[in-house]
Amino acid sequence: DAKTTQPPSMDCAEGRAANLPCNHSTISGNEYVYWYRQIHSQGPQYIIHGLKNNETNEMASLIITEDRKSSTLILPHATLRDTAVYYCSINGGSNYKLTFGKGTLLTVNP
Amino acid sequence: GAVVSQHPSWVICKSGTSVKIECRSLDFQATTMFWYRQFPKQSLMLMATSNEGSKATYEQGVEKDKFLINHASLTLSTLTVTSAHPEDSSFYICSAPHPQSYGYTFGSGTRLTVV
Repeated sequence: DAKTTQPPSMDCAEGRAANLPCNHSTISGNEYVYWYRQIHSQGPQYIIHGLKNNETNEMASLIITEDRKSSTLILPHATLRDTAVYYCSINGGSNYKLTFGKGTLLTVNP
Repeated sequence: GAVVSQHPSWVICKSGTSVKIECRSLDFQATTMFWYRQFPKQSLMLMATSNEGSKATYEQGVEKDKFLINHASLTLSTLTVTSAHPEDSSFYICSAPHPQSYGYTFGSGTRLTVV
């Protein structure tokens, strides 16, 4: 069940901002938008999540459109270590099962 | 904080044998644990949800008799792959809800190779 749609791959220059889009047009009112990333052969790492307001933490910013049907994850100054598969997911919060789409492979180039 | 420790990180076993994978929540109590499987170059696929003190809930198409899940305490959930076959070779990952947020904490994964 493809609840989210992401581009399969993106490239970004080191030091530049990386903007990763996600479409989630079927999101319901109580569902959050989550972003995770997975570096090769490791477990996913939590990045950020939001409900309807834009969010920012030490890793990234999350911009959610007013209709909540899409969002953008922003890595303000991408580094080589940010090369990973980035997953956007929607669900109702803790204890709700978290499923993943195909994600976006972000490659940060020197 | 909120670390999930997963062991082993990798295992090689012979066809027909069973393999147990453990996930421990080190500094919090995990009443729920999610188990995923990931094949090369594919996304994570949710296999089952384990709940402390009750039976696990399996996703459609996942054989509950083959993938035995036990969640006997608030800090330990195990996945046992029984009668393993080469097609069970995969990357298995566990996850638990983060206690202080609405996020989830993942284990480091177990690479299973069945020969």
